[in-house]
Amino acid sequence: AQTVTQSQPEMSVQEAETVTLSCTYDTSESDYYLFWYKQPPSRQMILVIRQEAYKQQNATENRFSVNFQKAAKSFSLKISDSQLGDAAMYFCAYRSPTRDDKIIFGKGTRLHILP
Amino acid sequence: ETGVTQTPRHLVMGMTNKKSLKCEQHLGHNAMYWYKQSAKKPLELMFVYNFKEQTENNSVPSRFSPECPNSSHLFLHLHTLQPEDSALYLCASSQALGDNNSPLHFGNGTRLTVT
Repeated sequence: AQTVTQSQPEMSVQEAETVTLSCTYDTSESDYYLFWYKQPPSRQMILVIRQEAYKQQNATENRFSVNFQKAAKSFSLKISDSQLGDAAMYFCAYRSPTRDDKIIFGKGTRLHILP
Repeated sequence: ETGVTQTPRHLVMGMTNKKSLKCEQHLGHNAMYWYKQSAKKPLELMFVYNFKEQTENNSVPSRFSPECPNSSHLFLHLHTLQPEDSALYLCASSQALGDNNSPLHFGNGTRLTVT
């Protein structure tokens, strides 16, 4: 069975600095999809960025980028120029391409932004 | 407007009550999901419906009963719950089967308290 591990329960970063959130996963599948979601105090889960496993190029969305290392089964999220609005829980997620369509989440990392 | 609407936003119920959670999506998706979010635990996938058919049931107790009358609506019927069932229940939708890069779109959740 697939698993997703986020080893950092909490992190803090100074406003305008860069922070990296780690995520590792375990799977025997060769093709899959990875996502980072953000959950602010409003509870709304919002997609931050996504990556297809068959693509070698790392995904980038404005200040958010990933470092996808398929062999190491690592999928870290880098947030550049951190802003106060980035404070939230961040969840890494794995999506299987099989028919059962499992989407597995990590336990999350709470990110604090220090003014 | 998130595209996925959950009601009610908060629910307090006794262990002998029967209640239902409702989810509606306006995104034209063909898959809907129920997740349970408890403190300090990963999001737990409860049920998956693809094209209105249940494809995943992660050994959820029978006191939780899902219903998917069409691809836009999803219900979670609750009866004789336990205090440990208190959690945030999140509904999500996506495109599935052939477009697995489609991310999940979440509702704001129902905060359930069982007394």
